[in-house]
Amino acid sequence: DGGITQSPKYLFRKEGQNVTLSCEQNLNHDAMYWYRQDPGQGLRLIYYSQIVNDFQKGDIAEGYSVSREKKESFPLTVTSAQKNPTAFYLCASSIEQTANNEQFFGPGTRLTVL
Amino acid sequence: ILNVEQSPQSLHVQEGDSTNFTCSFPSSNFYALHWYRWETAKSPEALFVMTLNGDEKKKGRISATLNTKEGYSYLYIKGSQPEDSATYLCAPVENTNAGKSTFGDGTTLTVKP
Repeated sequence: DGGITQSPKYLFRKEGQNVTLSCEQNLNHDAMYWYRQDPGQGLRLIYYSQIVNDFQKGDIAEGYSVSREKKESFPLTVTSAQKNPTAFYLCASSIEQTANNEQFFGPGTRLTVL
Repeated sequence: ILNVEQSPQSLHVQEGDSTNFTCSFPSSNFYALHWYRWETAKSPEALFVMTLNGDEKKKGRISATLNTKEGYSYLYIKGSQPEDSATYLCAPVENTNAGKSTFGDGTTLTVKP
């Protein structure tokens, strides 16, 4: 089955520690995205990548970093510089980054920083 | 960041009721608008993508209309069923934004049997 996987589903970390969230897709999509959701709010774009070895900051990139070394993988690192890291994180992909293309979403990772 | 507003924030209806909700966005620089459905414990799934003023899309009991001149889209659900319970997200795309979507906060629909 084609799709997007994110692991783990729940993640707990101590304050001050960096943590990396995994996102893998086998849909052969060029574009990938990371979103954050906070209670009562919509999805806010953290980073996106249109193609391998290229990525761009989204609306709330501060305190996060990404890499896109392989087409199928787009890991997100939440660094200690992110002031409010506790949130629900969603990864998505689309065939390519154009306005008409729908995004396909993974199941999400809920990160709690203690 | 594009200012996207969805209303109402939440909605409770009885099974069989028809309902609708709104997505408002700046009409300038509009390129496309996506609707997604997000059921609890699942991933968001695409419902529609709309690009033309006056566009109307339909999938079963769910339909959507688009007015790009005044900057709004309506989502209609006819004869709501409990399985329609979900959060509905709209995501307009500006033509100056490299294809990136800006999501509204969503409308959460609860359909009571």
